[in-house]
Amino acid sequence: GIQVEQSPPDLILQEGANSTLRCNFSDSVNNLQWFHQNPWGQLINLFYIPSGTKQNGRLSATTVATERYSLLYISSSQTTDSGVYFCLTGTASKLTFGTGTRLQVTL
Amino acid sequence: DGGITQSPKYLFRKEGQNVTLSCEQNLNHDAMYWYRQDPGQGLRLIYYSQIVNDFQKGDIAEGYSVSREKKESFPLTVTSAQKNPTAFYLCASSVPGLSSSGANVLTFGAGSRLTVL
Repeated sequence: GIQVEQSPPDLILQEGANSTLRCNFSDSVNNLQWFHQNPWGQLINLFYIPSGTKQNGRLSATTVATERYSLLYISSSQTTDSGVYFCLTGTASKLTFGTGTRLQVTL
Repeated sequence: DGGITQSPKYLFRKEGQNVTLSCEQNLNHDAMYWYRQDPGQGLRLIYYSQIVNDFQKGDIAEGYSVSREKKESFPLTVTSAQKNPTAFYLCASSVPGLSSSGANVLTFGAGSRLTVL
């Protein structure tokens, strides 16, 4: 099956810093989503982005499906951005979660 | 407000007992899913259902059972055959199912944390 790797696995930032999270996948996909899991376990969908670029406030995402990767940008990070970020990707028949990036934003 | 309700939020059970986790959605979504998350790990698919009265095994279905008698409900039973059931369980739903070419965007419930003593 498809392999989905995220990097870095862990990231510590000071409030106000910018960061880039990466999701690499091993096969062709037509579905890619980014989620934020907060410290209480709730998963929130950030983007549905099988290709192209989208922006939502301080967050933006880019997927280059032909090169098999997606990037999530967080600008001017805040402590509420802390948690784990997952990508979910695959095709119509199967979706697979990535390994996750744990982000901690400090004051 | 539309959403997914999982209950109970926390559940403690003795080894060897079956437990059933509830998942109810009022989003009118066709597809529903159950995922398992172990501490510090990603999510793994247990079962999914694209329509009422139909469901398919995911990657780690052994020791679990589901039913889909109503569109709104997709309960998960953790049986005594599941060797290590202590985990965080997440239910999700989406409008089209996995076989659709449409945008299959998942919405998640708040999760149920099961601890087997």
